[in-house]
Amino acid sequence: QVQLVESGGGLVKPGGSLRLSCAASGFTFSDYYMSWIRQAPGKGLEWVSYISSSSSYTNYADSVKGRFTISRDNAKNSLYLQMNSLRAEDTAVYYCAREGVWAPFDYWGQGTLVTVSS
Amino acid sequence: EIVLTQSPDFQSVTPKEKVTITCRASQSIGSSLHWYQQKPDQSPKLLIKYASQSISGVPSRFSGSGSGTDFTLTINSLEAEDAAAYYCHQSSSLPWTFGQGTKVEIK
Repeated sequence: QVQLVESGGGLVKPGGSLRLSCAASGFTFSDYYMSWIRQAPGKGLEWVSYISSSSSYTNYADSVKGRFTISRDNAKNSLYLQMNSLRAEDTAVYYCAREGVWAPFDYWGQGTLVTVSS
Repeated sequence: EIVLTQSPDFQSVTPKEKVTITCRASQSIGSSLHWYQQKPDQSPKLLIKYASQSISGVPSRFSGSGSGTDFTLTINSLEAEDAAAYYCHQSSSLPWTFGQGTKVEIK
């Protein structure tokens, strides 16, 4: 069955960096676009970034553009999110999710919590 | 950016009652509208795709309708396990966006 398992979250100071990982299994990872979506405590869902199946295309929300970088390693069935210059408002649970092209997010991971605080 | 506005923000409902949640898009998105359910302390789960297409394993009491700018999620005969937040999401135009969510509470 499809599984997405995020890791790498934790407590980081403002201005710091963190790298999130998402390990995928149960499907042909290299066939799918992938996204990161976040949810601040008690708030709604916010799409952060996506990457195409071959890494040819990436896109970012304005709120993270220039600070976050999405990448993937199809040989390792893994998705990554490098987060730099972190701010308090980046505090959230970060989910990785599988998507088709211009399609819904059909599978989600369990999420990893990132807390940005001094 | 396409803004999705859900209504209501909160609904308290008796079991077996019918629930209707609406999602309005700031511009036409065709049928590129999807619905998710998020139970407390869980990740979101896809309920309905492309406005009205059902998802395998999702109970038949969940249905969707609409196109263009106005969409509806209907839960027929609400059950206690349906207590959750519900979100709409559009995949018509980047950036992908979500509605603010509708919390459904069981009376």
